[in-house]
Amino acid sequence: KQEVTQIPAALSVPEGENLVLNCSFTDSAIYNLQWFRQDPGKGLTSLLLIQSSQREQTSGRLNASLDKSSGRSTLYIAASQPGDSATYLCAAGSTDSWGKLQFGAGTQVVVTP
Amino acid sequence: DAGITQSPRHKVTETGTPVTLRCHQTENHRYMYWYRQDPGHGLRLIHYSYGVKDTDKGEVSDGYSVSRSKTEDFLLTLESATSSQTSVYFCATWPGRTTDTQYFGPGTRLTVL
Repeated sequence: KQEVTQIPAALSVPEGENLVLNCSFTDSAIYNLQWFRQDPGKGLTSLLLIQSSQREQTSGRLNASLDKSSGRSTLYIAASQPGDSATYLCAAGSTDSWGKLQFGAGTQVVVTP
Repeated sequence: DAGITQSPRHKVTETGTPVTLRCHQTENHRYMYWYRQDPGHGLRLIHYSYGVKDTDKGEVSDGYSVSRSKTEDFLLTLESATSSQTSVYFCATWPGRTTDTQYFGPGTRLTVL
C-alpha cells in the first residue's frame, strides 16, 4: 500500500525567502506525482504534475522535482509572498487505470510580511 | 477551472439519520471520486466511479455508498450517519489521461451530532 508523507506539517517563513516542501512515498511504481494548493475552506487547486518519466516541472516561481529511486519529490517556491500562504499537498498517482491518488497530509505554510 | 459543484456546502445532522451529498460536473469527465479530509490525514478516497453505473470502493468505504446514474452526477450516501463521519467531503473528476490532474469541487462540511 502506497504511503505518502509530508514533513514538516507546518512551516513559517519571512517574505522573500525560498520555500522548500518535501514529499516522500514508499512505492516507486507511480504514474505521476502531483502538487496541490489548498486555501482555508476551499477545494484543491493543481499546481504541478510530474510524469513518472520526468525529473522536474516548472511553472513561474514554482519548481517540482521527482526522484523515483529515492521515493522523494520536492516543491520549491522562489521568493515567497504572503499570498503563498496555504496548505500544500502532494499526491502519488497509482499505476492502475482508475486515476486514483494517494495524498500526503499536507504542509501548512505561512509567509509573514 | 472544471465546473464542479457540491451540494449542500454545509450540513448538520444527527446520528442515525441518512445523508446524501451530491456532486455535479459540467466537464463530461469519465472518472469521479469522493474523498474525505480530516486533520492529519490528508484526503482519503471513499469511492470512485469509472463510468455510469460503474463504481468501486476506495480506502475508507465502510458506512458509505455511491451511485452514478448520469455522467454528470455522483451521489455519496451515508446510510446511517455516525459522529466518526464528521468531516469535509470533496468530490473530484478526472478526464482519464495520465497527463491530466484531478479537478476538485469546493467541498461539503458535514457535522454529525
